[in-house]
Amino acid sequence: EDKVVQSPLSLVVHEGDTVTLNCSYEVTNFRSLLWYKQEKKAPTFLFMLTSSGIEKKSGRLSSILDKKELFSILNITATQTGDSAVYLCAGADGGTSYGKLTFGQGTILTVHP
Amino acid sequence: NAGVTQTPKFRVLKTGQSMTLLCAQDMNHEYMYWYRQDPGMGLRLIHYSVGEGTTAKGEVPDGYNVSRLKKQNFLLGLESAAPSQTSVYFCASRKPGLAGELFFGEGSRLTVL
Repeated sequence: EDKVVQSPLSLVVHEGDTVTLNCSYEVTNFRSLLWYKQEKKAPTFLFMLTSSGIEKKSGRLSSILDKKELFSILNITATQTGDSAVYLCAGADGGTSYGKLTFGQGTILTVHP
Repeated sequence: NAGVTQTPKFRVLKTGQSMTLLCAQDMNHEYMYWYRQDPGMGLRLIHYSVGEGTTAKGEVPDGYNVSRLKKQNFLLGLESAAPSQTSVYFCASRKPGLAGELFFGEGSRLTVL
């Protein structure tokens, strides 16, 4: 059975801090790892990682995948209160016709002013 | 810029009642999904569809039925609601392929008393 585990489950920081969120996975026929940010409503897409060791960046957010050790990290530098959200990672199984995604439990990030 | 729209956004049911959640997407996506989100458990797939007229079971299909009569709509039905179905339900859609970005609706919060 596919499994994705995120850590920590929750994190409280102050504005300006740098945070690292972790995601480990065990996914049959692994194809890619996706990160989402969920504020009060719909999860919104951040990154999709397919290749090991290649960092993806978007502003203050970056992410990297390690396919040998089966994990990914999401870094947020110079955090702002607007970064407060639940961050979800999901592993994609490329062996299914519908692109099965297994989601982790999420990391709740709270950024205080 | 509607994207994925879910109705209703909130609903309270009594045990044994039935209801239907409607998901509509205007991005011409082939694939559509219904997830439920419960505290500490991430997003779990209920049912999915890879095209008009086709549906299939996900991880937690019991107690739910779905229909995809039109490409843009994906309906989730509860025939006889149970308190265990109290949850937040998310619809999502994407382009076909082995893996890719999911576009989520804003969620429907269902409470079964």
